[in-house]
Amino acid sequence: QKEVEQNSGPLSVPEGAIASLNCTYSDRGSQSFFWYRQYSGKSPELIMSIYSNGDKEDGRFTAQLNKASQYVSLLIRDSQPSDSATYLCAVNMVQSSASKIIFGSGTRLSIRP
Amino acid sequence: NAGVTQTPKFQVLKTGQSMTLQCAQDMNHNSMYWYRQDPGMGLRLIYYSASEGTTDKGEVPNGYNVSRLNKREFSLRLESAAPSQTSVYFCASSDGGGRGLGAKNIQYFGAGTRLSVL
Repeated sequence: QKEVEQNSGPLSVPEGAIASLNCTYSDRGSQSFFWYRQYSGKSPELIMSIYSNGDKEDGRFTAQLNKASQYVSLLIRDSQPSDSATYLCAVNMVQSSASKIIFGSGTRLSIRP
Repeated sequence: NAGVTQTPKFQVLKTGQSMTLQCAQDMNHNSMYWYRQDPGMGLRLIYYSASEGTTDKGEVPNGYNVSRLNKREFSLRLESAAPSQTSVYFCASSDGGGRGLGAKNIQYFGAGTRLSVL
């Protein structure tokens, strides 16, 4: 089982609709969760972080975390063509000497006009 | 502030050649990371350095070595390049990652190095 799993997509969503991206993780001790957006040929950029159960909203983006079920999701409301990108879920896993981020393989999102 | 700077941006090597990828950050971060990204594989951690003077293996360390030269710089070396090392390499830094400090660990990425090994 991979440590962080995402559906690779592509996920196609009409402009103006809600895009829903999901991620599951294996380490029950993980405390920090992130969503990064990556445009083709570019480096990842952080769009959301979440540390406690529930919802966290930032503009059109909402991150949802359920530690009991070990999943984290990202909702994008009023989807725009500029949202077309690959979205990477990342989980901070704490080990004895340090913590490290493990990324999922990414979900490719396409917003169609 | 430049953030995280990687050099070179592109490189073509022949099998067996060696090279070093350079990374520097000006955000005074303690932790630095090297990832590789292959199509459909997401980002895979090669090595990381939680603080100056320490380095640890990630998911895919074989064929690579690293040096944390000082707090700012973290280099990745390919001693004998192989075609399987053709990839895009990203360096990242964060303000977390050390013992007891890893709760947030937001990562900031460089622009990447596109490496082809023929």
